[in-house]
Amino acid sequence: DAGVIQSPRHEVTEMGQEVTLRCKPISGHDYLFWYRQTMMRGLELLIYFNNNVPIDDSGMPEDRFSAKMPNASFSTLKIQPSEPRDSAVYFCASSLLGGGEQETQYFGPGTRLLVL
Amino acid sequence: GQNIDQPTEMTATEGAIVQINCTYQTSGFNGLFWYQQHAGEAPTFLSYNVLDGLEEKGRFSSFLSRSKGYSYLLLKELQMKDSASYLCAVRDMGSNYQLIWGAGTKLIIKP
Repeated sequence: DAGVIQSPRHEVTEMGQEVTLRCKPISGHDYLFWYRQTMMRGLELLIYFNNNVPIDDSGMPEDRFSAKMPNASFSTLKIQPSEPRDSAVYFCASSLLGGGEQETQYFGPGTRLLVL
Repeated sequence: GQNIDQPTEMTATEGAIVQINCTYQTSGFNGLFWYQQHAGEAPTFLSYNVLDGLEEKGRFSSFLSRSKGYSYLLLKELQMKDSASYLCAVRDMGSNYQLIWGAGTKLIIKP
């Protein structure tokens, strides 16, 4: 299995620009998670989906952030407009539904975002 | 409230044993995960505990005491490649069964 795939791996953009991050979860997984990681705040859950349906977006920092999952094999996280404080590593993770260790989350390689 | 505490940093010697502790407070415990994260890489799954006791996987073992809200990760025969951050995460029924993450413990291995 290819694991969770994210693109781009690195993104440098200027303040005010739109940024779109992409994720392909592991085939057959039921859950998809978007996280943000910084030195100051650690790993933060932004939003997660169950069978393509957003379940909890309470971690999305503000209206500038939006996420979609149009089908079981693709999700996007969009920031519009981007700000320097959005600079972080954004991880996508996926897991099965089934309780216990079955719901172990597997992470993609991350997108390192720098907003100038 | 929900809280997970881990030491920020630990140092150990190659070939030795190290124990990384994690204490937690959640409204509804439903399992604890340990992840390893090398610098610049993604977290990778190490172990899962839901019942009290010790789970062993090769050089790594993880222990859980639900009554004490306590877990530890034990790494034996340390190798230089074990230098990484170790993240403790608890599944919390009060948070819709999602993971509450600790800040991680940076482990430095010296020769």
